[in-house]
Amino acid sequence: DAGVIQSPRHEVTEMGQEVTLRCKPISGHNSLFWYRQTMMRGLELLIYFNNNVPIDDSGMPEDRFSAKMPNASFSTLKIQPSEPRDSAVYFCASSLTGGPITYEQYFGPGTRLTVT
Amino acid sequence: QQPVQSPQAVILREGEDAVINCSSSKALYSVHWYRQKHGEAPIFLMILLKGGEQKGHDKISASFNEKKQQSSLYLTASQLSYSGTYFCGTVSAGNKLTFGGGTRVLVKP
Repeated sequence: DAGVIQSPRHEVTEMGQEVTLRCKPISGHNSLFWYRQTMMRGLELLIYFNNNVPIDDSGMPEDRFSAKMPNASFSTLKIQPSEPRDSAVYFCASSLTGGPITYEQYFGPGTRLTVT
Repeated sequence: QQPVQSPQAVILREGEDAVINCSSSKALYSVHWYRQKHGEAPIFLMILLKGGEQKGHDKISASFNEKKQQSSLYLTASQLSYSGTYFCGTVSAGNKLTFGGGTRVLVKP
């Protein structure tokens, strides 16, 4: 199995531009998670999907952030417009999920976003 | 609310032992432990589902005290490869994994 795939691995953009991050989860996993990691705030859950449906988006910072999962094998996280404080490493993770107990999550390699 | 980890950092000599603690203010369904090396993604180590249960991964083991809402990770006879940042993640109502702030571990020769 190829694991969780993320693209791009690095993204440098100017403030105000739109940024789209992409994720392909492990085949057969029915939960997908987007995390943001910074030195100041650590590893934060932004949003998670179960069976392609957004379950909890309470971690999404503001309306500039949006996420979609059109099918079981693809998800996007979009920032529009981007700001320098959005600079971080964004991880996508996937897992099997059943009931109230979460199975282990498999993380992708991350996208390092720099907004200048 | 994220779980609290302690200590924030620890330096070990190869072969020494260490304990990392994780505590939550919420009732927990499970506790996860992950390790992240610099510039890499977090890697799953183990999950603890029952009160008092201990799990192991090589010479790394963990316990979960469900009543106290606490978990501890034990690094036994540490190896150079154990260096990295260790995160506990807790699952409570809502089936959401919330990570602690991390504990940096450096194992020196």
